[in-house]
Amino acid sequence: DTAVSQTPKYLVTQMGNDKSIKCEQNLGHDTMYWYKQDSKKFLKIMFSYNNKELIINETVPNRFSPKSPDKAHLNLHINSLELGDSAVYFCASSQGSAGGQPKGEQYFGPGTRLTVT
Amino acid sequence: GQQVMQIPQYQHVQEGEDFTTYCNSSTTLSNIQWYKQRPGGHPVFLIQLVKSGEVKKQKRLTFQFGEAKKNSSLHITATQTTDVGTYFCAGPLGGYQKVTFGTGTKLQVIP
Repeated sequence: DTAVSQTPKYLVTQMGNDKSIKCEQNLGHDTMYWYKQDSKKFLKIMFSYNNKELIINETVPNRFSPKSPDKAHLNLHINSLELGDSAVYFCASSQGSAGGQPKGEQYFGPGTRLTVT
Repeated sequence: GQQVMQIPQYQHVQEGEDFTTYCNSSTTLSNIQWYKQRPGGHPVFLIQLVKSGEVKKQKRLTFQFGEAKKNSSLHITATQTTDVGTYFCAGPLGGYQKVTFGTGTKLQVIP
């Protein structure tokens, strides 16, 4: 069983469209994250949720809206997609959080490669 | 702003040679984690260091946390082609103590 799963794996779409990426973890973790990895492989945190509550919201355009229906799921909706949104988006989870800081390791999903044309 | 830098950015080594990547933080860290990302893959946790001057080993990998807890290193002895990938350090920085990933070191091993 996959610990952290994301769908879709690949997403190709045109500028201006709205798209969603889904993430689920079956590890029983309290905290989930969204990361963006650009073409230079820099890995940057976007959001962190702890028990369905938003803990960290980095300087991300408000076109990006995370939603956590329960602590096992964290989805990412992106409105009005732009070329610069092209990247790999990783979902991750960890056990517990102290003010947003993971306690122990983070488990990453396989990633969603988003290409905006 | 607060950041975590890694050097080198890229490293090509002949199989069997040693490899070291260095991680430097602009501020003191309460702990540091290391992750490995294979090409086309996702980051996978390797280890967490917490104590000042801590040294941990995992087979051919040796991890060290600096005395001042502002730097760390990962050393691989006798690299193998399976070591190929990008190695990231990560530490809690800034508001909410969010985990900030280093810039990464991409390792290529030439057989």
